[in-house]
Amino acid sequence: DGGITQSPKYLFRKEGQNVTLSCEQNLNHDAMYWYRQDPGQGLRLIYYSQIVNDFQKGDIAEGYSVSREKKESFPLTVTSAQKNPTAFYLCASSPGQQFEAFFGQGTRLTVV
Amino acid sequence: AQSVSQHNHHVILSEAASLELGCNYSYGGTVNLFWYVQYPGQHLQLLLKYFSGDPLVKGIKGFEAEFIKSKFSFNLRKPSVQWSDTAEYFCAVRPNTGRRALTFGSGTRLQVQP
Repeated sequence: DGGITQSPKYLFRKEGQNVTLSCEQNLNHDAMYWYRQDPGQGLRLIYYSQIVNDFQKGDIAEGYSVSREKKESFPLTVTSAQKNPTAFYLCASSPGQQFEAFFGQGTRLTVV
Repeated sequence: AQSVSQHNHHVILSEAASLELGCNYSYGGTVNLFWYVQYPGQHLQLLLKYFSGDPLVKGIKGFEAEFIKSKFSFNLRKPSVQWSDTAEYFCAVRPNTGRRALTFGSGTRLQVQP
C-alpha cells in the first residue's frame, strides 16, 4: 500500500531526553513536512523539505532538528531544548507545488 | 508571512441543517487554498482544493467552497449536514511563491447532533 507511515503512534519520554520521530513515504514525493498540532491552535509548521538533502525552518523550528538523506524519509528529532514537547506530530508529503499534501496518522508524544 | 483565520471555533448543528465555515487569509500574492477534515481518530484528509479557474469548487461528501479574491475568503459550505460530518475542519493556504508549505488555520470543531 502506498502512503505515509509515522511510527510509533504513541511515544513517552522523560524530560531532558532527545527523541526521534520516524516518517517514511513510498509515494515518491519530493516534498515532506512536519507539523505540530495542539488543541485550538491548528497545525503549525516545524520544518519542511522540498528535495533530498535540503530543508527549511518553519514557524516553530526551535528545539527541533530534521534530516533528509533519503527521498522517502524525513525524521524529526525533538531535543531537550524544546520547552513544551508534548503534542501531536504530523508528517506530510506532496508530489510538488501544484498538488495537495498527504498526511500520516501522526505520533502523539508525551514527555513526563 | 501568510496567515489564516477561522472564525468559528466550535459549531453545533442538527442533522439536515446547512453549514458554512468561514476562512480568511492574509497574503498579497497568488495562493492555493485547501480545506482538510480530521474525523475522530483518523488522519487528516483533503476535502477540496482551489488552484485556479472557477472560484466555486466542489469536494467530497457534498462539500463545496467559494474563493472570493476581493475578500481573501474561502468559506466551506454544505447544504445539509449529517451526523457523520462530525469532525474538525481546517482551512489552509499555500503561496505560489516563497515558502511553499501549507499554513493552517486554528480549525473548527463541528458537532452534528442526530
